[in-house]
Amino acid sequence: AQSVTQLDSQVPVFEEAPVELRCNYSSSVSVYLFWYVQYPNQGLQLLLKYLSGSTLVKGINGFEAEFNKSQTSFHLRKPSVHISDTAEYFCAVKFNRSGGSNYKLTFGKGTLLTVNP
Amino acid sequence: DSGVTQTPKHLITATGQRVTLRCSPRSGDLSVYWYQQSLDQGLQFLIQYYNGEERAKGNILERFSAQQFPDLHSELNLSSLELGDSALYFCASSVGRLAGGARGNEQFFGPGTRLTVL
Repeated sequence: AQSVTQLDSQVPVFEEAPVELRCNYSSSVSVYLFWYVQYPNQGLQLLLKYLSGSTLVKGINGFEAEFNKSQTSFHLRKPSVHISDTAEYFCAVKFNRSGGSNYKLTFGKGTLLTVNP
Repeated sequence: DSGVTQTPKHLITATGQRVTLRCSPRSGDLSVYWYQQSLDQGLQFLIQYYNGEERAKGNILERFSAQQFPDLHSELNLSSLELGDSALYFCASSVGRLAGGARGNEQFFGPGTRLTVL
């Protein structure tokens, strides 16, 4: 079965500390991978994406993620977080079924990142 | 600002009622997606339209329906509402693979409509 797992529901960190939010997926087909951020009472904003090419992708706000095909992971990292990074982060996967024409995203349950002073 | 607009922003209604949520995609995007976000189910895909035609269905209840109009805006109709339908409903749009290749998979989300059923 195809699924997306975010291993941590909550991650508290101190300001200026590094952070890693973990995402694993289960799939027998190729994938496209995305991280979205949702600030309180707002919609989803795309942080970064992996479609093809370099497995290390850089996104907005200093975030980056690395696609690891053998470990079926797409962990999100930031070397130094700010208070303003406090938000919920969602990993999303598009499973590329052959002949498929639908492009729905399957989301993880989300990780609430709380940055404390 | 993603370029995707949704109205209304908030909606409060009673059980048994019917509501319509509206979405306007980004200029040039042909695909529209509807998602439901609730505390217990998380973010769930409901339905996708591409250039006016239904392309995929997810966990959408029979009480729910959607359509995409010739001007590409979309409406999600929710009827016989129940308390459990209270959620945040997002619309997203993308170029669509035929037009944009792999990049067509990138979805841009609107701000959502928060539905409260009392």
